[in-house]
Amino acid sequence: EIQMTQSPSSLSAFLGDRVTITCRASQGVGNHLVWFQQKPGKAPKSLIYDMSTLQSGVPSRFSGTGSGTEFTLTISSLQPEDLATYYCQQYNTYPLTFGGGTKVEIK
Amino acid sequence: EVQLLESGGGLAQPGGSLRLSCVASGFSFSNYVMGWVRQAPGQGLEWVSGITGYGSVQYADFVRGRFTVSRDNSKNTVYLQIDSLRAEDTAVYYCVKSYGRDDFWGQGTLVTVSS
Repeated sequence: EIQMTQSPSSLSAFLGDRVTITCRASQGVGNHLVWFQQKPGKAPKSLIYDMSTLQSGVPSRFSGTGSGTEFTLTISSLQPEDLATYYCQQYNTYPLTFGGGTKVEIK
Repeated sequence: EVQLLESGGGLAQPGGSLRLSCVASGFSFSNYVMGWVRQAPGQGLEWVSGITGYGSVQYADFVRGRFTVSRDNSKNTVYLQIDSLRAEDTAVYYCVKSYGRDDFWGQGTLVTVSS
């Protein structure tokens, strides 16, 4: 099973800050990496798929980059509605696996 | 409009069984892989199982034969049978359409395992 190690597990930032979340895979997953946003009490919503492609309707302040084992989600300017927990998931190899999540809070 | 409607959750006894259902609409169901993801209270997301349009199945390592995923393309429905329920199976179970570009999640159904 591919382990997805996500860091940090939580962060607190000011509105307008640039925020970066990292996800490391224990082995290569190509570009088959998706980032989800989950708000309290809601189902997860995918933001970015194939490592760097923005889902339709997702604000352009979200971006994804990476290589086969190390991936980054960046929020270029943190907004109040970005308060959420973010997860990465690899869908290259079964069983599919998630990172542990990053809770983003507003200072 | 894509919709996924899960049902079948509720309170169940340890050692018992439950069958979760997910009725899909708004897309060509048989053309898509469907899956189940669960989330224990206050915890992260955990992929459970997936099934392709033609019935090829995959499971998470922790399943160990207790879970069975199936689908009925004539009814646009995917199922998750959970046997030998344990307290640690307590979670919201989400039905998921596909992975990546075309993904969509249902609102989830809560399974609580307790005596």
